[in-house]
Parts: sequence; structure tokens; C-alpha cells
Amino acid sequence: KQEVTQIPAALSVPEGENLVLNCSFTDSAIYNLQWFRQDPGKGLTSLLLIQSSQREQTSGRLNASLDKSSGRSTLYIAASQPGDSATYLCAGSNDYKLSFGAGTTVTVRA
Amino acid sequence: DAGVIQSPRHEVTEMGQEVTLRCKPISGHDYLFWYRQTMMRGLELLIYFNNNVPIDDSGMPEDRFSAKMPNASFSTLKIQPSEPRDSAVYFCASSSLPTASGANVLTFGAGSRLTVL
Repeated sequence: KQEVTQIPAALSVPEGENLVLNCSFTDSAIYNLQWFRQDPGKGLTSLLLIQSSQREQTSGRLNASLDKSSGRSTLYIAASQPGDSATYLCAGSNDYKLSFGAGTTVTVRA
Repeated sequence: DAGVIQSPRHEVTEMGQEVTLRCKPISGHDYLFWYRQTMMRGLELLIYFNNNVPIDDSGMPEDRFSAKMPNASFSTLKIQPSEPRDSAVYFCASSSLPTASGANVLTFGAGSRLTVL
């Protein structure tokens, strides 16, 4: 069973600082690793998906890497803004199931 | 496309009552998932459908929970009778590709927040 862990649980940074969010997973036989954003009281929005054959994906200020051998993924958010404040969840996909981490709640201070 | 549509957005009910949550997946998506989110347990997969057929319901907590997908554009999750511990946010998600493809981006609905008193 895939276990996904996210550390830290919460993070507070001043505006403009780069964010580094960590995700680890136990089963390297992973189909893909997805990063989601969840705003309070809202659903999940997919940010990036990294397939098992890929090492990273980029979208604007976001960059996600995947290292299957070490069981880790990292989400980088460059030049953080107050609008980046949200909970970020990573999810590893095996078979047809997505196993979610508990999330990292990010606060970007203006 | 309007995305995955869930209703109701909020439901408050009393213990013992029947609750029905509804989901309309994105047109053309053959895969539909029901998840439950709580503070204690995070996001858990309850059941998964492919082409309207339930594939795995091992995440359904008890017989009080049931899910159906009568057609490609509609699914329900029913709880009967409801209990306070069922209070959670229930999400529906859909995808056009199987997980094994590695490219299956899941699109989530906004969720249904259930409170059982």
C-alpha cells in the first residue's frame, strides 16, 4: 500500500521567498505523482502531474521533481505571493488509486 | 466545460436520516472516483467506477454506504442511516485516462460538506 508523507505540515514565508514543499512515498512502482492545491472550503485543483518516466514538470512559477529511487518529490514555487497561500497536497498513483499526503499548509505573508 | 459538478454543496442532517450526494463528471471521462476528506484521516478513496461499473468499493466504510452510476453523466453516493462520524467533505473526481497510463489528471468537484448532528 502506498504511503505518502508531506513535511512540514505548515509553512509561513514572507512574500517573494521561494517555497520548497516535500513529499515522500513508499512504493517506487508509481504511475505518476500529482501535486494539488486546495483553498479553504474548496475542492482540489491539479497543479502538476509527473509521469513515472519523467523527472520534472514545470508550469509558470511552479516546478515539480520526481525521484523514484529515493521515493521523493519536491514542489518549488518561485517568488511566492500572498495568492499562493493554500494547502498543497501530493498524491502518488498506483493501480487506479491515488494515495494522498496530509498536505502542507502554506501562508505567504505580505 | 463546467467541470465536475457536485450537489449539494452543504448538507446538515440528523443522525439516522438518509443522505444522497450527487455528482456529474466531465463529459467523456470514463473514470469516476468518490473520495472522503476528514481532518483525522485526510483524503480517502471510497469507490471507483470505470464506464459506469464499480471496480473497487473496498474503501466504502460500511454497508450504510452505497454508490451507483446509472449512466455516464451521473453518480450518487448514499448513506443510510447517517451517523455523526460520517461528517466530512465528500469529493467526486473524474478522469479520461486510466491510472496505468500515467497521464490521468484527476479533476475534482468542489465537494459536498456533510454535517450529521
